[in-house]
Amino acid sequence: NAGVTQTPKFQVLKTGQSMTLQCAQDMNHNSMYWYRQDPGMGLRLIYYSASEGTTDKGEVPNGYNVSRLNKREFSLRLESAAPSQTSVYFCASSDRSGLETQYFGPGTRLLVL
Amino acid sequence: AQSVTQPDIHITVSEGASLELRCNYSYGATPYLFWYVQSPGQGLQLLLKYFSGDTLVQGIKGFEAEFKRSQSSFNLRKPSVHWSDAAEYFCAVGDTGGFKTIFGAGTRLFVKA
Repeated sequence: NAGVTQTPKFQVLKTGQSMTLQCAQDMNHNSMYWYRQDPGMGLRLIYYSASEGTTDKGEVPNGYNVSRLNKREFSLRLESAAPSQTSVYFCASSDRSGLETQYFGPGTRLLVL
Repeated sequence: AQSVTQPDIHITVSEGASLELRCNYSYGATPYLFWYVQSPGQGLQLLLKYFSGDTLVQGIKGFEAEFKRSQSSFNLRKPSVHWSDAAEYFCAVGDTGGFKTIFGAGTRLFVKA
């Protein structure tokens, strides 16, 4: 089992460009999450999907959109990237809720110039 | 609002010495508490979690944590540190809604020979 996979691993964008971060899990988990990690701030929840077909805002959703494509896949889209979105993005999944163990992907490092 | 404070940005310990990482939380009800570890360039991995019951929780890799309600603390301990324990450690609290986990800013552990 690969666990949680993320693509790409690293991306450079110019201000105003758009891109989609992909995440997939092979553990048959119901819930999936997108976090961003910034120095000195820990991880902050952007969006989550409690189950297939549902998505909800987290702590820092502005500037992002998500799609729960199916049970396995949960994508994060930046429509018009800004330098403030330079960060490391982590996708995670859990069986039913965030109170259970969350399994994290290796992260996507995004630089917006 | 719930929050998590990790007072130490970084800690250096000698290999074989004991370790204690501090975590304080703010939460109105009985908290769901977690410790995660992040090795360089990797995603996060759950070390242990506390929901209820025995206030001393055992985790993986020889770690334990003690929940102290009176001090709003959930400190992580290890009796003898190994060089491979060098990593960043995150304390987190989960809300009763089940999906919005709040992470502390993290404590980076350095291990010296």
